[in-house]
Amino acid sequence: AQSVAQPEDQVNVAEGNPLTVKCTYSVSGNPYLFWYVQYPNRGLQFLLKYITGDNLVKGSYGFEAEFNKSQTSFHLKKPSALVSDSALYFCAVSVNTGGFKTIFGAGTRLFVKA
Amino acid sequence: DAGVTQSPTHLIKTRGQHVTLRCSPISGHKSVSWYQQVLGQGPQFIFQYYEKEERGRGNFPDRFSARQFPNYSSELNVNALLLGDSALYLCASRLAPTDDGYTFGSGTRLTVV
Repeated sequence: AQSVAQPEDQVNVAEGNPLTVKCTYSVSGNPYLFWYVQYPNRGLQFLLKYITGDNLVKGSYGFEAEFNKSQTSFHLKKPSALVSDSALYFCAVSVNTGGFKTIFGAGTRLFVKA
Repeated sequence: DAGVTQSPTHLIKTRGQHVTLRCSPISGHKSVSWYQQVLGQGPQFIFQYYEKEERGRGNFPDRFSARQFPNYSSELNVNALLLGDSALYLCASRLAPTDDGYTFGSGTRLTVV
C-alpha cells in the first residue's frame, strides 16, 4: 500500500537555527514528492517538488528538500528558521497505480521561538 | 488571476441529507482534485478529475461522487450524510495530473448535525 509518514507530530526550533521536518514514503514505482505548508486560517500552499534530477530541490521561502532514494525519504530543511515559519507542514507523494492520486502525510507542526 | 474558489465556505446539514460542494479551478488548470481534511489530520484524497474524466478515486464510500464540467469547474456530492462526514473539504487544481504542485482553495467547512 502507498503511504507517507511524518514521524514527528511537532518540531521545535529556535529562530536562526536550522530546521528539518522529516518525511518517509512507501510507494511502488518512481514517486513525485511534494511539500505543502498550512498557515492558521489559510489554505494549503505548495512549497516545492521533486520529480527527477538533482536530489536537492529548492522551493519557496528559503526552504529546500533532499530526496534520498535508498532511505525513501524527502526531508524538508531550512538553514535559518524564522518565527514566521511556524505552521503545519505536509509531505505528499503522487502515484499512478490504477489511477492518479496524491497521498498526504499526517502533518508536522513547526514551532519557531524567538 | 483568481485562485481556486470554493463555495459555500461554511455549511450545516442534518444527518441523511445531501450536499453539493462547488469548485472553480485556476484558469488554465484542467486537473481538479477533492480532499477531506479532518481536524488534526492530513488531507485524505477523494477524487481526481482531468479533462472531465475521473482519473483517481480514494477509499471513500459510494455516497461520495463528483464530476467535472466542460469549463473544468467541479462538484462534489455527498449523499446520506453521516456525522463523520463533518470536515473541511478542499478542492485543488493543477495543470497536469501528477507532476505539478496543487493550488488549493480555502475549503468548505461542512458540519453534519
